[in-house]
Amino acid sequence: DVKVTQSSRYLVKRTGEKVFLECVQDMDHENMFWYRQDPGLGLRLIYFSYDVKMKEKGDIPEGYSVSREKKERFSLILESASTNQTSMYLCASSLGQGSTYNEQFFGPGTRLTVL
Amino acid sequence: QKEVEQNSGPLSVPEGAIASLNCTYSDRGSQSFFWYRQYSGKSPELIMFIYSNGDKEDGRFTAQLNKASQYVSLLIRDSQPSDSATYLCAVIPFSGGYNKLIFGAGTRLAVHP
Repeated sequence: DVKVTQSSRYLVKRTGEKVFLECVQDMDHENMFWYRQDPGLGLRLIYFSYDVKMKEKGDIPEGYSVSREKKERFSLILESASTNQTSMYLCASSLGQGSTYNEQFFGPGTRLTVL
Repeated sequence: QKEVEQNSGPLSVPEGAIASLNCTYSDRGSQSFFWYRQYSGKSPELIMFIYSNGDKEDGRFTAQLNKASQYVSLLIRDSQPSDSATYLCAVIPFSGGYNKLIFGAGTRLAVHP
């Protein structure tokens, strides 16, 4: 079974802090994704990565950056946290390029509160 | 027009009934279709996928795909209170190199005893 883990289930940070959210998958997937989910807005893609050191902006990249130094790990960075970044953050992974059967497997999520 | 559309609900059905959840998509070249279940406060969990026109059954769940009508549905037979959740439809569009999923906003299902 695919296992996607996230570093924290709950996180409370102060405005202006730099925040790191980490995600690890154990199935050698090429693709990894970061979403945020807010009531009434659904899942919104922040960034995704299709290979080590490769990244692509999603629908809402402003205020975020990402890092993928190793295939199994994908980090989301909030450079200077703001209250409007309070949200549920979900990491996902999928098999990768060349496969049309790219179902995504999600981690448990990190509920981030920025005060 | 949104790329993947679902009725937000709530869809309320009595225990034991059939719940029917519907989804339409805009990219005619879409190849792969998924249904995820998400309980409140939890992450989405894949429950069904379908790639070919027609029906696909897995236990109490049946996914139906009609590419000509750009329509995919999920039927849940013998609905149970534990099926109460938000159901997300997701599509891999032709554009995007088969890497990204486009999610609908989800339909909330409430099964009452």
